Amino acid sequence: DAKTTQPPSMDCAEGRAANLPCNHSTISGNEYVYWYRQIHSQGPQYIIHGLKNNETNEMASLIITEDRKSSTLILPHATLRDTAVYYCIVRVNAGGTSYGKLTFGQGTILTVHP
Amino acid sequence: DSGVTQTPKHLITATGQRVTLRCSPRSGDLSVYWYQQSLDQGLQFLIQYYNGEERAKGNILERFSAQQFPDLHSELNLSSLELGDSALYFCASSVEGGWTEAFFGQGTRLTVV
Repeated sequence: DAKTTQPPSMDCAEGRAANLPCNHSTISGNEYVYWYRQIHSQGPQYIIHGLKNNETNEMASLIITEDRKSSTLILPHATLRDTAVYYCIVRVNAGGTSYGKLTFGQGTILTVHP
Repeated sequence: DSGVTQTPKHLITATGQRVTLRCSPRSGDLSVYWYQQSLDQGLQFLIQYYNGEERAKGNILERFSAQQFPDLHSELNLSSLELGDSALYFCASSVEGGWTEAFFGQGTRLTVV
């Protein structure tokens, strides 16, 4: 699985958009970008994933650059409850019979302040 | 609530002892994954089961073992416990073997004294 690089910490004001970057310059053509978050020692929570197109769901948007070497997770209107560690993970295959682990790095600690 | 249930939530035991952690996956999920999270190591993948069979192995110690039963619940057995085994242990489940929208339980906090 390709290695990812994330800033160790970021701050965001409540109500503003939080933009979390991730570099994955060695990503392969068949590797997906996943985002998970972990709120204070709770179980990690799936947010979104994508291959090459931008994706949006009820939680967030994922913007992947055209060369796929980096991506940005966008929380459009951050709340205090979005304070968490955000993990960007790159892995082959999104489903089906793809077995094995997701490798979590150190992630980005996002602090949303009033 | 992810639908993945882990018991117990907290466990305190002495060095040298053996404990069993239990995980009930979401209804319909065939894959179960175990992770360990300690302060200095982050989230470490231990092992994956799919429909009762071991499918992938990570950094799991020989003192640790796991199994998945016919009703798809899973147990992680930790033996000859050491102080360094103190950690949060998470179970996750997904419909198939892939990682699309894998759901994590709330974890079992193990403290070895």
